Amino acid sequence: EVQLVESGGGLVQPGRSLRLSCAVSGFTFDDYAMHWVRQAPGKGLEWVSGISWNSGSINYADSVKGRFTISRDNGKKSLYLQMSSLRAEDTALYYCAKEDIDGRMDVWGQGTTVTVSS
Amino acid sequence: DIQMTQSPSSLSASVGDRVTITCQASQDISNYLNWYQQKPGKAPKLLIYDASNLQTGVPSRFSGSGSGTDFIFTISSLQPEDIATYYCQHYDNLPLALTFGGGTKVEIK
Repeated sequence: EVQLVESGGGLVQPGRSLRLSCAVSGFTFDDYAMHWVRQAPGKGLEWVSGISWNSGSINYADSVKGRFTISRDNGKKSLYLQMSSLRAEDTALYYCAKEDIDGRMDVWGQGTTVTVSS
Repeated sequence: DIQMTQSPSSLSASVGDRVTITCQASQDISNYLNWYQQKPGKAPKLLIYDASNLQTGVPSRFSGSGSGTDFIFTISSLQPEDIATYYCQHYDNLPLALTFGGGTKVEIK
């Protein structure tokens, strides 16, 4: 069964850091690009960051550029999002998603919640 | 940056009605347009890719059309289980980026 399981969310104070993880199973992880997508409470979907299969191509939304770092470990079949200088507006449910081809996100995790508050 | 404008933001329709959602890109995106369904408390689900192709396992009452800047998503006969928010999404690979529309919440009248 193809599965993505996010972890690492929680309550964190503004300005602090947090690292999210996404463990995958059921497919050849290093064949696919991966993305993080977030959803603030009651709001729509917002793309956060994406990484190609070999980490050769990485990009970020302007809202997180310079504060978040995406990475992957193909040997461990895991995707990561290192978040620093967190702000209240980063509060959201963070999903990892597998890109099948040409931007089709065909598999999503259940999400992990990040709350930034003092 | 390409912007995706989705309308309406919400709609209410009766079971069996034809439902139409539009998505407009701020510039020509060819057919690089996908549609997702998100039910309350659940992760998004891919329904349509490349503007008009039905993802495997998705009911045929869902369809998509369009190219360039204007796209349409249709539910031919609304069912109770279709209550959800629907999003359009564009993909760029240079640089790698996704852009989502604002979403359309579909409710039963």
